Amino acid sequence: GEDVEQSLFLSVREGDSSVINCTYTDSSSTYLYWYKQEPGAGLQLLTYIFSNMDMKQDQRLTVLLNKKDKHLSLRIADTQTGDSAIYFCAETKETSYDKVIFGPGTSLSVIP
Amino acid sequence: EPEVTQTPSHQVTQMGQEVILRCVPISNHLYFYWYRQILGQKVEFLVSFYNNEISEKSEIFDDQFSVERPDGSNFTLKIRSTKLEDSAMYFCASSGPGGAYGYTFGSGTRLTVV
Repeated sequence: GEDVEQSLFLSVREGDSSVINCTYTDSSSTYLYWYKQEPGAGLQLLTYIFSNMDMKQDQRLTVLLNKKDKHLSLRIADTQTGDSAIYFCAETKETSYDKVIFGPGTSLSVIP
Repeated sequence: EPEVTQTPSHQVTQMGQEVILRCVPISNHLYFYWYRQILGQKVEFLVSFYNNEISEKSEIFDDQFSVERPDGSNFTLKIRSTKLEDSAMYFCASSGPGGAYGYTFGSGTRLTVV
């Protein structure tokens, strides 16, 4: 199947860490991505991880991949009000490496 | 930083009319894509285009849809006879030879069919 699932809403206080979770069903996923969409804007690629990695860190962002459980998470350290947006988990597969399959998105609200 | 540019940002059209959504991909990119996002729903793949032909398309991309690269810079999505359910945000993207991790998305065209 092509399902990528995420919880739809997350609310955190400014300065706390946010953890956005995602599960996927297809073990042939090659790359997994996190995109950010601010209101009225396009899809901004935040980070991606190759399926043979289990962690990637990029400044305030940490991506963890548990391939056995098909679970991906995005941790945002020291969350700021500017981080409020919708975050999409996405994947591409070996058989169709240029087609991105998106999850439903998690709406992150940061409370000042 | 290079951008993918989409025009118009918002288009309102009457049911049954033809619309053309325009995109200018990043100049040295070779792969081009259209995605759509119906309000409140997932972003869905429509079509990928490489070397002047469609490389993959989804079930959504039926005979009402077509894509074209009319010159060296533009990439267009045409919907021949719009339906109410075509109302959505349409995103264009382009990538280099590296594939999806090199994607850059445009900021989208909101199409409203009335």
